[in-house]
Amino acid sequence: DAKTTQPTSMDCAEGRAANLPCNHSTISGNEYVYWYRQIHSQGPQYIIHGLKNNETNEMASLIITEDRKSSTLILPHATLRDTAVYYCIVRVRDNYGQNFVFGPGTRLSVLP
Amino acid sequence: GAGVSQTPSNKVTEKGKYVELRCDPISGHTALYWYRQSLGQGPEFLIYFQGTGAADDSGLPNDRFFAVRPEGSVSTLKIQRTERGDSAVYLCASSSRLAGESGELFFGEGSRLTVL
Repeated sequence: DAKTTQPTSMDCAEGRAANLPCNHSTISGNEYVYWYRQIHSQGPQYIIHGLKNNETNEMASLIITEDRKSSTLILPHATLRDTAVYYCIVRVRDNYGQNFVFGPGTRLSVLP
Repeated sequence: GAGVSQTPSNKVTEKGKYVELRCDPISGHTALYWYRQSLGQGPEFLIYFQGTGAADDSGLPNDRFFAVRPEGSVSTLKIQRTERGDSAVYLCASSSRLAGESGELFFGEGSRLTVL
């Protein structure tokens, strides 16, 4: 079973920041937080991951609370092409024996 | 190819038939995963290969499902005596050792299976 909970859906205006929350209150000390997204009719795409420090790359920023029980994925300037289902996953890093457990994710709709 | 390739992209079959779905991972990627995705749901893990061996097949729903990766590259997911409940998009993903350490799985576009 997925170890995370996310809102079912969210809307965001084009050009504004999209903030997608994720709760992972049972996260273990050696588990990382990963984010993937899935655009309609495509396979999931990796976005970003982190352990406890905030992370940023060309796609997004990841903010993890100090107690690591929740995190927020931030798309700083959402475009229509960011409309997708976003999945938050916790997983032990470097453990090839552990698969990624996807929940239902958050359906983000970026509106013009 | 540049990405993970899955064939066929669409497969329609009749209940009770046998089906094979193929995954061609990114060249050099040692890890290969199969997932299944039903409408409105997140991907559901089926099986994971490290090289030629199945490291974790705990997600296979029953013994009608089987997967192989004989040379550590291409993998085939085999479904016997298909049932209507097997209808879904079957996703394949691969990762290299380096990419796996960052958690980056590269997914294919999926094979959509419809069992009538």
